[in-house]
Amino acid sequence: DVKVTQSSRYLVKRTGEKVFLECVQDMDHENMFWYRQDPGLGLRLIYFSYDVKMKEKGDIPEGYSVSREKKERFSLILESASTNQTSMYLCASSQRQPNQPQHFGDGTRLSIL
Amino acid sequence: AQSVTQPDIHITVSEGASLELRCNYSYGATPYLFWYVQSPGQGLQLLLKYFSGDTLVQGIKGFEAEFKRSQSSFNLRKPSVHWSDAAEYFCAVGARSSASKIIFGSGTRLSIRP
Repeated sequence: DVKVTQSSRYLVKRTGEKVFLECVQDMDHENMFWYRQDPGLGLRLIYFSYDVKMKEKGDIPEGYSVSREKKERFSLILESASTNQTSMYLCASSQRQPNQPQHFGDGTRLSIL
Repeated sequence: AQSVTQPDIHITVSEGASLELRCNYSYGATPYLFWYVQSPGQGLQLLLKYFSGDTLVQGIKGFEAEFKRSQSSFNLRKPSVHWSDAAEYFCAVGARSSASKIIFGSGTRLSIRP
């Protein structure tokens, strides 16, 4: 069974801090994704990666960056956290083919104080 | 560009009653369509998917969905809901030309009345 693991379920950080959210998948998937989920807005794509060291901006990349040094790991970085980045962050992975569903981690609820 | 609309923000049904959650999509060709469920505090779990062929697709937990091209809809149904079905449900659409990017609707929260 596919397992996508996010390193923290809950995280509290302060404004201006550099924040790292980690995601690991164990199914050798080529594609990995970072979303944020806010009430009434559904899931919005921040960044995705279709191969090691490759990344593409999603719909809301501002204030975020990503790193994919190994196939199984995809990190989301908040360079200087702000209160409007308080949200639920979801990581997902999928096989390369366009018709493959995405498999999700349990999410990280991040609060920026 | 593709988009997804889930017109119902919150639905309440009685346990044992039938359920239909609406989903409309916008896409220039036949899309890939998905329904996901999210239980409180959890990530999203795939319920079912449509790629081609039979327009009525069966999923897990007794759910089914029907693709209607003429109405640009992919509504989710269940004949008899259980209290454990209380969750948030997301419809999603993927483009056949994309690198597995999919667009999610804003979700429908389902509550079950005892």
